[in-house]
Amino acid sequence: GQNIDQPTEMTATEGAIVQINCTYQTSGFNGLFWYQQHAGEAPTFLSYNVLDGLEEKGRFSSFLSRSKGYSYLLLKELQMKDSASYLCAVRDYNQGGKLIFGQGTELSVKP
Amino acid sequence: DGGITQSPKYLFRKEGQNVTLSCEQNLNHDAMYWYRQDPGQGLRLIYYSQIVNDFQKGDIAEGYSVSREKKESFPLTVTSAQKNPTAFYLCASTLRVALSNTGELFFGEGSRLTVL
Repeated sequence: GQNIDQPTEMTATEGAIVQINCTYQTSGFNGLFWYQQHAGEAPTFLSYNVLDGLEEKGRFSSFLSRSKGYSYLLLKELQMKDSASYLCAVRDYNQGGKLIFGQGTELSVKP
Repeated sequence: DGGITQSPKYLFRKEGQNVTLSCEQNLNHDAMYWYRQDPGQGLRLIYYSQIVNDFQKGDIAEGYSVSREKKESFPLTVTSAQKNPTAFYLCASTLRVALSNTGELFFGEGSRLTVL
């Protein structure tokens, strides 16, 4: 089966850097996604990793290690608007290519 | 503009009633999905369809039904058999995964169903 683990919640200070970790176990790994979701809204796509290494996109970066079943999302220069839930999702080709989501990490950014 | 439209945004239902949530996309995406989200939890897959006239059960299909008669449309019916239907429902779509795209999900704005 699949198992995706993320911390339930994190708190960070405006202007700081925060790293949200995600570990996964899946039989047919075919990509890892990070989504941002503000309360009551739809998730929005942040990043995609399928090969090992770091993908950078502005203030957000995402890292993947397939051998360790591990990813992290790095948010730099935190802003109050970054307070949201961050969802880690893994695509499994043994499951028809569908995405399996973790429970999400609720990030609170404090002044 | 292209996108995914869900309706209604808010819906109230009495126990014992069936209700249908609409999902329409004009992105020309092949695959469509329905997820359920409960407070403080991640997304759980209800049903998905990768091609017209075909769909598969997800992890929590009991008490739900779908149809995929057109590429653009993937309605979800929450039946009276669903024991705890109050939740936030999200529809999503994606292109088939290929070298030229990541196959990420595009989401609608969601429908919040409350059973009274």
